[in-house]
Amino acid sequence: DAGVTQSPTHLIKTRGQQVTLRCSPKSGHDTVSWYQQALGQGPQFIFQYYEEEERQRGNFPDRFSGHQFPNYSSELNVNALLLGDSALYLCASSLGLAGSYNEQFFGPGTRLTVL
Amino acid sequence: AQSVTQLDSQVPVFEEAPVELRCNYSSSVSVYLFWYVQYPNQGLQLLLKYLSGSTLVESINGFEAEFNKSQTSFHLRKPSVHISDTAEYFCAVIPSNTGKLIFGQGTTLQVKP
Repeated sequence: DAGVTQSPTHLIKTRGQQVTLRCSPKSGHDTVSWYQQALGQGPQFIFQYYEEEERQRGNFPDRFSGHQFPNYSSELNVNALLLGDSALYLCASSLGLAGSYNEQFFGPGTRLTVL
Repeated sequence: AQSVTQLDSQVPVFEEAPVELRCNYSSSVSVYLFWYVQYPNQGLQLLLKYLSGSTLVESINGFEAEFNKSQTSFHLRKPSVHISDTAEYFCAVIPSNTGKLIFGQGTTLQVKP
């Protein structure tokens, strides 16, 4: 049973560029959440997708957008990259919506470096 | 708004010594509580969780945490650490009315031989 997978593992971009990160949830999971973990910090919640819709959002600008596909996989898009977007981006999957606790399983992350 | 505070950024300890990693939270609603561990260059792994019931929860590798509602704390303890416990530890909460995991800043546990 494959866990949460993310691609690519590493990515280097320059300021102003756009980037797309991908996540495949754990088998049987239908909810995907994205987190940004800056160096030396705890992860920060970006948004959560369920039934192909953004259901909750953290305090991130509109440059951060996402998508969920019918197979529950998800993409995180970041436009107009800034140096401060350099971080480890973590995807987590779970079963069901917010409001009831369901354990979130994390992928290994994508390390984004913006030069 | 909810927040999580981990009181120590780094905790150095010798092998086989006991350790406590401290965590306090603030929330206007009830929360679920978690400890995650992150080994170098890896993602987060759930160490243990408190959802309800007994306030003392244990993990399979000897860690335990106790939920103290009056002090809004969820400290992590282990009576005897191993070199392999060296990692970053994150305390986190999920408010009962959302699915957002809110993390603390993390505590680096450095186990020395």
